[in-house]
Amino acid sequence: EAGVTQFPSHSVIEKGQTVTLRCDPISGHDNLYWYRRVMGKEIKFLLHFVKESKQDESGMPNNRFLAERTGGTYSTLKVQPAELEDSGVYFCASSHGTGFEAFFGQGTRLTVV
Amino acid sequence: KQEVTQIPAALSVPEGENLVLNCSFTDSAIYNLQWFRQDPGKGLTSLLLIQSSQREQTSGRLNASLDKSSGRSTLYIAASQPGDSATYLCASWGGGADGLTFGKGTHLIIQP
Repeated sequence: EAGVTQFPSHSVIEKGQTVTLRCDPISGHDNLYWYRRVMGKEIKFLLHFVKESKQDESGMPNNRFLAERTGGTYSTLKVQPAELEDSGVYFCASSHGTGFEAFFGQGTRLTVV
Repeated sequence: KQEVTQIPAALSVPEGENLVLNCSFTDSAIYNLQWFRQDPGKGLTSLLLIQSSQREQTSGRLNASLDKSSGRSTLYIAASQPGDSATYLCASWGGGADGLTFGKGTHLIIQP
């Protein structure tokens, strides 16, 4: 069974550009989460999908971040326009249900220069 | 707001020793607690999930305990090996937060 996969693994973009991160959860997992770790800080929750619906997006930093999960399968996280402070590692996780064991992807390392 | 703290931040021990990693959380109203390891440049690997109704969970040389009332969890690693070297993260579900609330992790080095 394939795990959570994320693409790309690394991305270097200039300030002001747009970047889209993709996450494919484990098949059958309705719950999908995005997290972010910035340098020196702990991993922090960004948002939570149940199928295609956003359950909670209280962790999203600002309106430059847009997450979608069309059809309740894969999800994308778009940053537009990117700022220097958006640099970090973005993780995606999926689980069968809220509070169930969470499985994480390898992460996307985003560097904004 | 839930806060998770891990002590120590870093630990270096000789191979073969038993060791304990500590995790504390401020809000005891959690659904469960999950321990992960992260190797450099890699994602998070789930080690153990302890339900809020459980006191401990075991997997091989790993044993995790949970004391909700005191807001503490420990990860015990028996007979440590160099391959155990990694960053260990604990994270709570619930406690007023959606998603997992993470600690900063314990960076563990096992000396051969």
